[in-house]
This record gives sequence, structure tokens and C-alpha cells, in this order.
Amino acid sequence: NAGVMQNPRHLVRRRGQEARLRCSPMKGHSHVYWYRQLPEEGLKFMVYLQKENIIDESGMPKERFSAEFPKEGPSILRIQQVVRGDSAAYFCASSPPTSGPRAGELFFGEGSRLTVL
Amino acid sequence: AQRVTQPEKLLSVFKGAPVELKCNYSYSGSPELFWYVQYSRQRLQLLLRHISRESIKGFTADLNKGETSFHLKKPFAQEEDSAMYYCALLSLSNYQLIWGAGTKLIIKP
Repeated sequence: NAGVMQNPRHLVRRRGQEARLRCSPMKGHSHVYWYRQLPEEGLKFMVYLQKENIIDESGMPKERFSAEFPKEGPSILRIQQVVRGDSAAYFCASSPPTSGPRAGELFFGEGSRLTVL
Repeated sequence: AQRVTQPEKLLSVFKGAPVELKCNYSYSGSPELFWYVQYSRQRLQLLLRHISRESIKGFTADLNKGETSFHLKKPFAQEEDSAMYYCALLSLSNYQLIWGAGTKLIIKP
């Protein structure tokens, strides 16, 4: 089991371009979470998805940001018309079914570092 | 309101000294609490959870319901303990983690 895979690990974009970040959860996990970490800051929740459903997007900026987790393929975090303030590390995590004895145990990817020039 | 507070953004101690990372929570119900750790250039990972009642890498954390705290402790800090530590609370209403802001621990040689 390769663990949670994120790509690209590093992404450079110019202001106004689009950024797409991908996350493949661990095998058998159907819950995906996206977090943002600004330099020298803590982890900020963005969105929680299950296959084909957005469960909680309370941490997502209302504009320019979107996320999906299709039936097939990885989860994608999309940032349109990027600005310098979007520069951050974006982490994805996955989990097994959220109830039961392993509830609360998240498995994180290595993150995607977005730099906006 | 459900909330996790880590009052220290940065904690710096000398190698061999005791370390305590503070975590306080607000939750109406029986809490399930976790500590996650992120070492430099590594992925965030689960360190320990209170229901396991185990010691990982010399760290322990005791749930104190009276003080609504779940402080992480280690009697003798090592340089390899330098990392970012996050306290988290599992909300049983939606099975999502509520995260503290994190504490950066620096162990000085």
C-alpha cells in the first residue's frame, strides 16, 4: 500500500493561472480531506469529500477554489486565477470509514507546494 | 462550541529537559483526542490517541476532563523531537477532526 499520493509535489504558477492538485487516497479509503498550510502557520481544514460527494466545504474560500472526488480517479483541488496569497503547502489526507475504532485516524500525503509568482 | 486550543505557537526547550505541549478543548460529550506530529520535510502522522493509553517515542498524554486538557508530555526531550505538533478532537456528530493551531517544538542542543 503506497500510502496517500499527491502530485505534483511542487507547482509554480504565475498570477492568474490555474493550479490543479491531485490526491490518490490509500487503497480502501473513500474519505478525502484537503488542508492548507501557510508558511510558519498551522494546518487549516479546507474540504472533506467522499466519492462523488462534498461532505463539508466550510474551510474553502468561496471563490476560485473547488474540489472534487470522482467515482474513478484521484481527488482534485482546483484553484483558478491564482494569486500570491495562494502560495502554500496543500495536504491531502484519507481515512477508512469514519466510524468505528479507527475513527479520527487520518493518513496524510507529503503535500503539494504551490508557489505563485 | 467545539474547539481545540494550543496556546503556544512555539516552544523551545533544551535537550534532556522535560517538555509539555499544551492542548485544551471545548466539547459537550465524551471527547476523543489525538496528537499528530509533522517532522521536518515529512508527512503529518498520528502520534498517539488517548483511548490507546500508550506511550509513543517517550511521549504520553493524559486526558483531564476536569481541566478539559490533553497535554503532551515527555520527561527528557531529544533533538529528534523537534517538529510541529497538532492536537485534534474527534467530533462524534460528523466524525471529523477539529484541529488546534499547532505548536512548533524546537529542542536546543
